[in-house]
Amino acid sequence: AQTVTQSQPEMSVQEAETVTLSCTYDTSENNYYLFWYKQPPSRQMILVIRQEAYKQQNATENRFSVNFQKAAKSFSLKISDSQLGDTAMYFCAFGETSGSRLTFGEGTQLTVNP
Amino acid sequence: EPEVTQTPSHQVTQMGQEVILRCVPISNHLYFYWYRQILGQKVEFLVSFYNNEISEKSEIFDDQFSVERPDGSNFTLKIRSTKLEDSAMYFCASIYNGISYNEQFFGPGTRLTVL
Repeated sequence: AQTVTQSQPEMSVQEAETVTLSCTYDTSENNYYLFWYKQPPSRQMILVIRQEAYKQQNATENRFSVNFQKAAKSFSLKISDSQLGDTAMYFCAFGETSGSRLTFGEGTQLTVNP
Repeated sequence: EPEVTQTPSHQVTQMGQEVILRCVPISNHLYFYWYRQILGQKVEFLVSFYNNEISEKSEIFDDQFSVERPDGSNFTLKIRSTKLEDSAMYFCASIYNGISYNEQFFGPGTRLTVL
């Protein structure tokens, strides 16, 4: 079974600074999908960024980028120019195939300070 | 932009009562999911549903749980006899298909409180 681990329960960053959230996972599959979801206080789950394992290029979405290290089974999220609205719980998630269940990590509570 | 909707937003019930949580997935989506999140914990998969039957379920999804797509638009999760530990946020999600990559769109969740 796949597992996803986020070793940082809490992180904080100053507004406009850069922060990196860590995620590691365990799988025997070669092709899979990785995601970062944001959960603000409203508790809505919002997709931030995704990465297909067969793609070597790291995904980027505006201020959000990932560092995908397939051999190390590591998938970190970098948030540049942090904004107050980035304050939220961030979950790393693994999907074996496009339609399969998502396995989530424990989450990292990110606080952006003014 | 199309979205997944869930009702009610908050449900309070007595232990032992039956509850039905409702979801309306995005209209052309074919795969549906229920997840739950106990307060302060991670999101956990409960069940996936495709072509009017369960395609996968977790060990959490025991005989107390059932899912149904009664009318082609709603997707429901029933808990037959609620326990205190069923108190959680329940999220519905849907995707278009499971062939090429599709984002799982999540609903806003239903907060279930069992007293």
